[in-house]
Amino acid sequence: QVQLQQSGAELVKPGSSVKISCKASGYTFTSYDMHWIKQQPGNGLEWIGWIYPGNGNTKYNQKFNGKATLTADKSSSTAYMQLSSLTSEDSAVYFCARKGFAYWGQGTLVTVSS
Amino acid sequence: DVVMTQTPVSLSVSLGGQTSISCRSSQSLVHSDGNTYLYWYLQKPGQSPQLLIYKVSNRFSGVPDRFSGSGSGTDFTLKISRVEPEDLGVYYCYQGTHYPRTFGGGTKLELK
Repeated sequence: QVQLQQSGAELVKPGSSVKISCKASGYTFTSYDMHWIKQQPGNGLEWIGWIYPGNGNTKYNQKFNGKATLTADKSSSTAYMQLSSLTSEDSAVYFCARKGFAYWGQGTLVTVSS
Repeated sequence: DVVMTQTPVSLSVSLGGQTSISCRSSQSLVHSDGNTYLYWYLQKPGQSPQLLIYKVSNRFSGVPDRFSGSGSGTDFTLKISRVEPEDLGVYYCYQGTHYPRTFGGGTKLELK
């Protein structure tokens, strides 16, 4: 069965970076886009972008250009999202989801605080 | 960006009752390939969203037939009949036709 296992919660300082992971299993990792979605506390869902692990192609929401960087490691079937220059506005739960969003990770809470 | 407007923001429904949620897009969601990439998701408290309906009217595997999607162009509806306790949560529509992808603001379904 398809599973997406995300890394644990992060508490990070303003101005720093964080890299969260999404390990895929149960399907051919290189055959499907992996999307990333942001959800701030009590708020709705915001699409960040996708990466196609097969060739590393990416597509970003312009709003997250310079903020989010998507990568993928085919050898471990793991997708990554690095968030840089963190501010309180980046505090949120971040989800990975396979193309079509039929399968989601459990979410990673990122808290930006000094 | 395509704005997805969901109404109402919240709904109170009785168990066993029927209700519907509207989702309107600021642009047509018909893709150049002829498909309409409009999806519906339910997010239960403390959980990840789960797919209910894809491409307007197709129920995802395991989704009860109490859920049905309809619409075209810019105007879409999710209907829920015979509401059960497990249906409570926040419903989101999502468009996968235009970049950036966008979600509706959500509709919270509560028990009356």
